[in-house]
Amino acid sequence: DIQMTQSPSSLSASVGDRVTISCRASQGIRSDLSWYQQKPGKAPKRLIYAASSLQSGVPSRFSGSGSGTEFTLTISSLQPEDFATYFCLQLNSYPWTFGQGTKVEIK
Amino acid sequence: EVHLEESGGGLVRPGGSLRLSCVGSGYTFKAYHMNWVRQAPGKGLQWVASISLTQVNGYMYYEDSVRGRFTISRDDATNSLFLQMNSLRVEDTAVYYCARDMSFDFWGRGTPVIVSS
Repeated sequence: DIQMTQSPSSLSASVGDRVTISCRASQGIRSDLSWYQQKPGKAPKRLIYAASSLQSGVPSRFSGSGSGTEFTLTISSLQPEDFATYFCLQLNSYPWTFGQGTKVEIK
Repeated sequence: EVHLEESGGGLVRPGGSLRLSCVGSGYTFKAYHMNWVRQAPGKGLQWVASISLTQVNGYMYYEDSVRGRFTISRDDATNSLFLQMNSLRVEDTAVYYCARDMSFDFWGRGTPVIVSS
């Protein structure tokens, strides 16, 4: 199975900050990675697919980069509605596997 | 607008059974591969099972720990996805989500399953 190591597990940031979250795959997965935002009691929402493609309707302050084994989700200017948990998902090889999640909290 | 809604979760004893449902709306249900994903308390997400399109034999595949105990199925006539869970274990306690497509593009809000004596 491909292991996805996500870091950090949590971070504190202020509105307006630039935030970066990383996912590392235990083996190469090309660009077969998506990023999601999850808020308590709500459906997870896909932000980025194919490592760097922005999901329709998602604000442009979200961006994704990387390929192979190293991937990054960047929020260019954190907004109040962005405080949530973020996770990555690899879609290269069965079984599909997730990062452990990053909780973004208000500083 | 795509919408997925899960139901059927609840409290069940170890060794018991439960059937989860997921109804899809706002899109052509039969045209999409469907998935179940779960999240145990305080843990990360785990893929559970997937089912392909009925027109390609509705091929099913499972995470190792649930294979032989869980069965995924679909009813395209009612836009419904199911997860029959048998021989439930304490470690199956989680919120169960359905997700659309091999790309996991849209998800429901989840339904909680608690396995406890």
